[in-house]
Amino acid sequence: GQNIDQPTEMTATEGAIVQINCTYQTSGFNGLFWYQQHAGEAPTFLSYNVLDGLEEKGRFSSFLSRSKGYSYLLLKELQMKDSASYLCAVGLGAGSYQLTFGKGTKLSVIP
Amino acid sequence: GAGVSQTPSNKVTEKGKYVELRCDPISGHTALYWYRQSLGQGPEFLIYFQGTGAADDSGLPNDRFFAVRPEGSVSTLKIQRTERGDSAVYLCASSLDRGAYEQYFGPGTRLTVT
Repeated sequence: GQNIDQPTEMTATEGAIVQINCTYQTSGFNGLFWYQQHAGEAPTFLSYNVLDGLEEKGRFSSFLSRSKGYSYLLLKELQMKDSASYLCAVGLGAGSYQLTFGKGTKLSVIP
Repeated sequence: GAGVSQTPSNKVTEKGKYVELRCDPISGHTALYWYRQSLGQGPEFLIYFQGTGAADDSGLPNDRFFAVRPEGSVSTLKIQRTERGDSAVYLCASSLDRGAYEQYFGPGTRLTVT
């Protein structure tokens, strides 16, 4: 089966930095994805890693180690609007990117 | 431009009834995915279309679930003999083609089976 683990909840202070970890054990791998989902809304794409290393995009960075089955999402200069669930997902499927998601990490940013 | 749209936004039905959920992907997107999301869980893959054909339906939970995409754009997810356990938010996503990794999600249809 597929297993993707991430913390259920995290709390961080506005202006700070937070790291959300994700570990995975899957039968295939077409990349590691992070999505943001505000309550009651659709997930929106944040990042995609297929090679080991760090990808930086503005305030958000994502890291992947395929040998360790490990990824993290780093959010800098936290803002109140960053309060949301962050979903780690592994792309599976031959020639497509059907996603297997973790349960999500609910991040609360406090003043 | 217009994003992915889904109708209805909410659907309440009685156990045993038949329902259809519609997804309108972004124009020109050939890849279309259906997921369902239960409360407190991440989305769960159901089926993937490339064009008109169901390229991977391995996530459909049983034969009460069926989906079509007859003209390669709009897709309909059909659920027969609904059960209370089918209650969830059904999400549709599209991407430019099978090689495009970024999926754009619709707002979902919240299905409640009473």
